[in-house]
Amino acid sequence: KNQVEQSPQSLIILEGKNCTLQCNYTVSPFSNLRWYKQDTGRGPVSLTIMTFSENTKSNGRYTATLDADTKQSSLHITASQLSDSASYICVVSAGTNDMRFGAGTRLTVKP
Amino acid sequence: DTEVTQTPKHLVMGMTNKKSLKCEQHMGHRAMYWYKQKAKKPPELMFVYSYEKLSINESVPSRFSPECPNSSLLNLHLHALQPEDSALYLCASSQDRRQGGEKLFFGSGTQLSVL
Repeated sequence: KNQVEQSPQSLIILEGKNCTLQCNYTVSPFSNLRWYKQDTGRGPVSLTIMTFSENTKSNGRYTATLDADTKQSSLHITASQLSDSASYICVVSAGTNDMRFGAGTRLTVKP
Repeated sequence: DTEVTQTPKHLVMGMTNKKSLKCEQHMGHRAMYWYKQKAKKPPELMFVYSYEKLSINESVPSRFSPECPNSSLLNLHLHALQPEDSALYLCASSQDRRQGGEKLFFGSGTQLSVL
């Protein structure tokens, strides 16, 4: 069983709308959680990192949250743009050398 | 320079061919990784090099042979591949794997098709 579960699997929204992607994990011990954006045919790019003590962090139109008690994270995208169309992958690090990838959420932004 | 450069971008090979994928970074990172990614799936770890030594081999078939000639270069030698090996092969690097929870810098990948 994958220890990092993302939902929804795919999402279609209209340009300008907001959306929220979810990541639930059971990875232990928790080190940090990163959200990556992967455009089609390209490598993933890190958007943000969440550590145990952080609840929320923003990077432009992207806002990530972390609830370490419930082991849940979310990525909120505000005022979506066509260029936001991509896969968003949640990666949870356990201990020092173990990174667990979620299956990703495929976001499509339509005009 | 914060880039990881992979060549070639696309590769088509027959099952009897021998080819190599190349990866280069000049960020001074001491950990380098090979990942395999099938369509609509997350990347799967294949190999990890830390300080130019192979530290992880995720039970990858011997038809994939990694090589780390120096701290900036990482190769993946391919021989006698199968059609199911067709995938996007991603190289990544991170500053120092010993610290844990590293930010990975990915290349754009090599899209491999095995005929």
